Amino acid sequence: DADVTQTPRNRITKTGKRIMLECSQTKGHDRMYWYRQDPGLGLRLIYYSFDVKDINKGEISDGYSVSRQAQAKFSLSLESAIPNQTALYFCATSGGGADTQYFGPGTRLTVL
Amino acid sequence: TQLLEQSPQFLSIQEGENLTVYCNSSSVFSSLQWYRQEPGEGPVLLVTVVTGGEVKKLKRLTFQFGDARKDSSLHITAAQPGDTGLYLCAGGGLLRADYKLSFGAGTTVTVRA
Repeated sequence: DADVTQTPRNRITKTGKRIMLECSQTKGHDRMYWYRQDPGLGLRLIYYSFDVKDINKGEISDGYSVSRQAQAKFSLSLESAIPNQTALYFCATSGGGADTQYFGPGTRLTVL
Repeated sequence: TQLLEQSPQFLSIQEGENLTVYCNSSSVFSSLQWYRQEPGEGPVLLVTVVTGGEVKKLKRLTFQFGDARKDSSLHITAAQPGDTGLYLCAGGGLLRADYKLSFGAGTTVTVRA
């Protein structure tokens, strides 16, 4: 079984709808991250959390919110989706003294 | 503006040829990581380099960290179709680890059989 899972894998929605993307991990890591990936722009950090009570904005947090429900779960919400939020979204984890991040398989989100 | 600039953006070569991907920055990083991403999957770590001038080899892949810890390169010898993918470099914290990564835009490598 995968160590980092994301649901859903694909989602098509309409402008103005509220969307939640979920991430779960079995690696026992304290640190979790949400990124979006757009062609030619690489991965950009949306939010990150170093433990359940620590949540921080990344470089592109506007229009997004997160919830760290437990050490193993980190959800990303789009309160009112807009077309330019169409992208691939990745969750990642890391732990211990290393920078290495372990990524989920991604969610492809399309906002019409 | 991205901290890490990767070049080239796209690379298409024939099986058996060599290739080099570059990752450059004006900032000093505590570490530099290379990831490979295949379609429909998340990035997977290939290597981490932490010491200026460090060279690491992973079978046919050679990774180098610049002496000043501002740049890195990935060289693939005798490329195979299985090397096809998106290669991403990522810098650790500036000067010291802060458990966040800054990613380059990526290099899409296609190896034709």
